[in-house]
Amino acid sequence: QSALTQPASVSGSPGQSITISCTGTSGDVGAYDFVSWYQQHPDKAPKLMIYDVRYRPSGVSNRFSGSKSGNTASLTISGLQAEDEADYYCASYTSSSTVVFGGGTKLTVL
Amino acid sequence: EVQLLESGGGLVQPGGSLRLSCAASGFTFSNYAMSWVRQAPGKGLEWVSAIVNGGANTFYTDSVKGRFTISSDNSKNTLYLQLNSLRVEDTALYYCAKANGRATSRNLDYWGQGTLVTVSS
Repeated sequence: QSALTQPASVSGSPGQSITISCTGTSGDVGAYDFVSWYQQHPDKAPKLMIYDVRYRPSGVSNRFSGSKSGNTASLTISGLQAEDEADYYCASYTSSSTVVFGGGTKLTVL
Repeated sequence: EVQLLESGGGLVQPGGSLRLSCAASGFTFSNYAMSWVRQAPGKGLEWVSAIVNGGANTFYTDSVKGRFTISSDNSKNTLYLQLNSLRVEDTALYYCAKANGRATSRNLDYWGQGTLVTVSS
């Protein structure tokens, strides 16, 4: 149950687009289309932003999108806004019926 | 409105025990899988355990197997996590989270505010 691999940090200017990658194995990310993404602001609980690779929960901006290829999933945020500055975590359901998170990515909006 | 309210955290010595509770409201509790996720101070999220299919199945991350037990009481709409043989590395904020389905613990769409467990001598 090793953590999924995410970049420690990414940054972008307002209005730009950024992409955060999330790499796992054939036993987790590659096994199913069951990757989710969470946003966490400081001292707040995580918030589900993307589920099952590409679906947005009600109320989440369409600036957030997800995709997957093989053992790597990606979260793209377009039209960056100051409020997007937060930590982002990917998570994947595994072939053992457990869940594994990524190490997290700190997004800085310049 | 979905609400999840954790309680039961505190300071405990290594080797000690605690029981965390998560009171749920605003949804049909037995129809959704529930998970515990923890976050050590300044660190990332770590999935700990889940209970699915109305309590019929439970799952754990390797580091807590044999020490932690997840359970639920559908009549009280409450999720529990029994923590035994606690270690310093179990120190974390423990979140209760609801999945958006019944059969798997993926897609955690609602989270509580967490309860802090500190393991220290």
